[in-house]
Amino acid sequence: KAGVTQTPRYLIKTRGQQVTLSCSPISGHRSVSWYQQTPGQGLQFLFEYFSETQRNKGNFPGRFSGRQFSNSRSEMNVSTLELGDSALYLCASSLAQGFAEAFFGQGTRLTVV
Amino acid sequence: KQEVTQIPAALSVPEGENLVLNCSFTDSAIYNLQWFRQDPGKGLTSLLLIQSSQREQTSGRLNASLDKSSGRSTLYIAASQPGDSATYLCAVMRSSNTGKLIFGQGTTLQVKP
Repeated sequence: KAGVTQTPRYLIKTRGQQVTLSCSPISGHRSVSWYQQTPGQGLQFLFEYFSETQRNKGNFPGRFSGRQFSNSRSEMNVSTLELGDSALYLCASSLAQGFAEAFFGQGTRLTVV
Repeated sequence: KQEVTQIPAALSVPEGENLVLNCSFTDSAIYNLQWFRQDPGKGLTSLLLIQSSQREQTSGRLNASLDKSSGRSTLYIAASQPGDSATYLCAVMRSSNTGKLIFGQGTTLQVKP
C-alpha cells in the first residue's frame, strides 16, 4: 500500500513568485492536513481538508491557500513568496476528519531566495 | 491554548541503554496523543498512538504512556540502538472534530555505538 506522496521534493523559488505543492494521501484516506516546519517555529498547522472542504485553518496569512479534489488529492499554494516561507512543508493523511492516526509524507523542501 | 513541551531538547546515550523521553501538555482535554520519529530532512514516521481513554501502548522496544490528569506522556525506548538516532516528536489532537495536531519541539536523540 503506497504511503503519502508529496511532489515535488525540492523547490527553489524567488521572492514574489508563487508555488504549488501537491499531496496524494494513502488510498482510502479522505482527510488531508498541511504543516509547515521551520527550525525556529517547529511544526505548525496550516489547514485541513475533508471531502473537498476546508474544515480547519491555522494562523497563517491569506497568501497560503489550499484545495482538495474529489479523489482526495490536495494542493497548497503560496503566493507572493517571502524569504520566511522557506521551510519543509509536510502533508498528513488520515481515514477521516479527526480520525486517530495521521500518516505523513516525506515533505517538500521549499527554499525562497 | 494548548501547548506541548518536550524535555530534554537533546539527549545522547550509549548503545544498549534504556531511556525515557518526556512530553507535557497544558490542557488535559485531548482526544489522542501520537509519537513520531523524524530523520534529518525527512517526513514523520508514526510510532505510537494513544487514545485519551488508554493508559499506554507498546510496539516492539517502544512503550508510550499517557497520564491525562497530569498532562504528561512518556516514550520509553528499551535497549537503544544507533539506528534509533532521530528526532522524536509528540503531538496532541484536541478533539474528534479536527485533524489538527499540536506538536512539541521534539527531542533529538543520539545513540552512540
